[in-house]
Formats: sequence, C-alpha cells, structure tokens
Amino acid sequence: QQKVQQSPESLTVSEGAMASLNCTFSDGTSNNFRWYRQHSAKGLEVLVSIFSDGEKEEGRFTAHLNRANLHVSLHIREPQPSDSAVYLCAVRNAGAKLTFGGGTRLTVRP
Amino acid sequence: DPKIIQKPKYLVAVTGSEKILICEQYLGHNAMYWYRQSAKKPLEFMFSYSYQKLMDNQTASSRFQPQSSKKNHLDLQITALKPDDSATYFCASSQDWGSGAEQFFGPGTRLTVL
Repeated sequence: QQKVQQSPESLTVSEGAMASLNCTFSDGTSNNFRWYRQHSAKGLEVLVSIFSDGEKEEGRFTAHLNRANLHVSLHIREPQPSDSAVYLCAVRNAGAKLTFGGGTRLTVRP
Repeated sequence: DPKIIQKPKYLVAVTGSEKILICEQYLGHNAMYWYRQSAKKPLEFMFSYSYQKLMDNQTASSRFQPQSSKKNHLDLQITALKPDDSATYFCASSQDWGSGAEQFFGPGTRLTVL
C-alpha cells in the first residue's frame, strides 16, 4: 500500500526567497504525482502534475521527480504572502485513487 | 462560477443520526470521488465512481453509502453518525476514471458530530 510522507511539517520563508518542499513515497511503480495547495477552510487547487523523472514547471511552481529515490519535490520561486497555505503531495495509484501526504504548512513573511 | 458544488458548507449532527452530503459538478466529467480529511490525518480516499458505477471503495464501514442519481451528482449518505465521523468531506471529479486525468476538488463539507 502506497505511503506518502511530507517534510517539513511547517516552513516559514521570507517573501521572495525560494521555498522547497519534499515528499517521499513507498511504491516506485507509480507514475503520476501531483502537488495541491489548500488555503484555510477551502478546497484543493492543483499546482503541478508530473509523470516522468525530471522537472516540470508551472509558473512559479516547479516539481522535481526522482522515482529511483522515491522522491518528489516542489520549489516555489519568489513566494508571496498569498502563497501561505498547506501544500499537499499526492500519488496516484492503480485505478484513480490519490494517496496524500500529511502536508507542509507554508508561511511567507512579508 | 464554482464548477463543483458541495452542500451544505457546514453541518452539525448528533450521534446516531443520518445525514446526506450533496455534490454536483458542472465540468462535464465522467468520474467522481469522495475524500475525507479528519483532524491531524492526511486526506483519505473513500470512493470512486465512473459513469455512475462504483469503481473503488476504500471505506470499511457500510454506514457510508454514495448515491448517484445523475452522472454529475454523487451524494454521500452517512448513517448512525459517530463523533469519529467528524471531518471535512471533499468531492472531486475528473474527465475519466483510469486515464490519469486531473482530479478537481470541491470546497468541502465540514461535518461535526456531537
């Protein structure tokens, strides 16, 4: 059964500094990874999906996938206070089930 | 305009009662899902449907019953409510079920069971 772990649990960065979030997973046969953002008491917003090893950029958000190391990361370039939220890593398994990590709470200080 | 509507936004229930959580999507998608987010636990998959047919059920309890009256509706009936059922329930949808299509999430229904 797929297990997904995120680190750190919380992260504080200054506005404009790069923010880096990590996600490890247990089943390297998955080929479908997503990063979502969740603002307080709101739904999930998909940021970037990545399906093969390497890098995928969507605006200020870049995901890096290394399946051999069971690792996917998210880098946020020039974060702003409005980027403060919980970031969730999700791995798609057989069928359409998404397995989520516990999240990283990001705070961006002005 | 919101494309995935969940009703109500907040719900308070007493132990032992029954509630129905409503989900409608206006994205023209063929697959719909329910996930649950309990306090201090990761978001957890519950059910998936494709063309109104159950595809996957990861919920052990039969107290949770999805109901699909139309292709763009997937409601969730919860019976004999317990305090442990307190959580935010998210509905999601995707174009298709097995193709790796993006899943889009609704705003959630926050259920509190007293």
